[in-house]
Amino acid sequence: EPEVTQTPSHQVTQMGQEVILRCVPISNHLYFYWYRQILGQKVEFLVSFYNNEISEKSEIFDDQFSVERPDGSNFTLKIRSTKLEDSAMYFCASSRDTSTNEKLFFGSGTQLSVL
Amino acid sequence: RKEVEQDPGPFNVPEGATVAFNCTYSNSASQSFFWYRQDCRKEPKLLMSVYSSGNEDGRFTAQLNRASQYISLLIRDSKLSDSATYLCVVNGPGGSYIPTFGRGTSLIVHP
Repeated sequence: EPEVTQTPSHQVTQMGQEVILRCVPISNHLYFYWYRQILGQKVEFLVSFYNNEISEKSEIFDDQFSVERPDGSNFTLKIRSTKLEDSAMYFCASSRDTSTNEKLFFGSGTQLSVL
Repeated sequence: RKEVEQDPGPFNVPEGATVAFNCTYSNSASQSFFWYRQDCRKEPKLLMSVYSSGNEDGRFTAQLNRASQYISLLIRDSKLSDSATYLCVVNGPGGSYIPTFGRGTSLIVHP
């Protein structure tokens, strides 16, 4: 089965540093998402991306966050100046479209630890 | 009111037991409903979609009650390998197609 791949699997950074999390969605998928999950809490939506632009974003996705699709395969999440509370597992997901019952395929996640 | 609400559990059941989870959602305009499974510190994986007429996949049965805005998942003949967190997912809010996750219900199946 095709997979969404994420790198790195773990990222440790100092508060205030910039991090870039990378994702390669499934090749024929058109919609891309970032979610995060703080330890012990629910999976929270950050942003969705379609046709090279953000289609929706949550209140969590403030000016510190940005997404980019720099080439035909990668989809990145950048956190400009990390805070302690950004520590979480970040999941990338993709789907073919957003029709009813279209499922999300998730990558295995990047565990971000901000010290 | 939370958008998607689940009893966090844990539900602790013996092998072979039948267990049921419920989930309620706040947006009556929601259109798509799913159950995902998440193992510890892993990514969510789709277990099954939930259709209006109810649907079954092996030992798993999902039901949707639009009038009461809840979804259920029934697991029959529980296996040790069913131990995981079960996430209720609803598309919304506001009619958008952004899947919104509940906090999940933890299931522990013991010998």
